[in-house]
Amino acid sequence: EVQLVESGGGLVLPGGSLRLSCAASGFTFSSYWMHWVRQAPGKGLVWVSRINNDGSSTIYTDSVKGRFTISRDNAKNTLYLQMNSLRAEDTAVYYCAGEKDAFEIWGQGTVVTVSS
Amino acid sequence: QAGLTQPPSVSKDLRQTATLTCTGNSNNVGNQGAAWLQQLQGHPPKLLSYRKNNRPSGISERFSASRSGNTASLTITGLQPEDEADYYCSAWDTSLSAWVFGGGTKLTVL
Repeated sequence: EVQLVESGGGLVLPGGSLRLSCAASGFTFSSYWMHWVRQAPGKGLVWVSRINNDGSSTIYTDSVKGRFTISRDNAKNTLYLQMNSLRAEDTAVYYCAGEKDAFEIWGQGTVVTVSS
Repeated sequence: QAGLTQPPSVSKDLRQTATLTCTGNSNNVGNQGAAWLQQLQGHPPKLLSYRKNNRPSGISERFSASRSGNTASLTITGLQPEDEADYYCSAWDTSLSAWVFGGGTKLTVL
């Protein structure tokens, strides 16, 4: 079964850090470019970051540049998102998604809440 | 970063046809077309189509996508109760070097 499973979400204070993980199974992880997409409560989807299949290229949406870092370990079939200097507006469900041509594979999401 | 424009809501009767629109510009929708995703309440998104009306395996032929200039469309024929969901378009923006999403359209099947 093709599957992405996110973990690492939780409640964090403003200015704090979290590291999200996304474990892949059932498909050739190293062949897919991978994304993080987030969705604030009651709001729409917002693309956050993308990494190419071998990890040599990364891009970010402007609002997280310099604060978030996307990475992957193809040997462990795992995608990561290191989030630093978190703000209240980063509160959202964070989804990882796999791309061959578009966002073909999605995880169930992990909830990140930034609040004091 | 600028997003794509979708109408917030569309309502159609059971078994009728709904056409959802997504307007961008020549750097995104007008360049490589758009992908369409469906999100049922409480679930992650699911890809319905990408680029030139390519449907992933298992997606019903009732869903078809098209593009005219900078506007992409998703047509859903024979509306069923299970089609009631939020629909998002997305496209790669060559100017921003980023993916952009529309704000989503909530489809209500009456």
